[in-house]
Amino acid sequence: QKEVEQDPGPLSVPEGAIVSLNCTYSNSAFQYFMWYRQYSRKGPELLMYTYSSGNKEDGRFTAQVDKSSKYISLFIRDSQPSDSATYLCAMSAGGTSYGKLTFGQGTILTVHP
Amino acid sequence: SQTIHQWPATLVQPVGSPLSLECTVEGTSNPNLYWYRQAAGRGLQLLFYSVGIGQISSEVPQNLSASRPQDRQFILSSKKLLLSDSGFYLCAWSVIIHEQYFGPGTRLTVT
Repeated sequence: QKEVEQDPGPLSVPEGAIVSLNCTYSNSAFQYFMWYRQYSRKGPELLMYTYSSGNKEDGRFTAQVDKSSKYISLFIRDSQPSDSATYLCAMSAGGTSYGKLTFGQGTILTVHP
Repeated sequence: SQTIHQWPATLVQPVGSPLSLECTVEGTSNPNLYWYRQAAGRGLQLLFYSVGIGQISSEVPQNLSASRPQDRQFILSSKKLLLSDSGFYLCAWSVIIHEQYFGPGTRLTVT
């Protein structure tokens, strides 16, 4: 079993839709949870970063972490064609992990005008 | 502001040839540096990380090596490339340890 599981999609939605992206994980030591956006043939871009359980909002993006269920989500409101990309979840334990991230395989999202 | 550079952007190399990929960071001091590889349609796999000059930790036994000759320079090398070394190689840096910022990547094809 992979440490981090992410549905690869692809996911196709109309412009303006609410998008839900999800990851599950098995390592209870993970404490830091990140979402990256990666456009085709580019490096990933850090979108949001959450510590432990709870919600965090940044504009149209909301990240949720449920450590009891080992489940994290990213919601995109009022989705735009420019949101079309691959979304990667990433996780890290604290302590001496030196920020080593474990990534999901990414979900491909397409937002149609 | 901080900037990360990687070169070359694209590389095609024959099996058995050597490899050297370079990454440099500007606008910060003593960053943690990372090398990742991304195979087609897959997530990122951490290959090496470094918390300081000359300090390299390897995550995956393989045909590759890394070096950090200067504070903001990270080099990925191989003496003899394998077909399985093909992929998208990404360098990243962090100061706030869980916020990693990635470079533009090098797309390597081994033929």
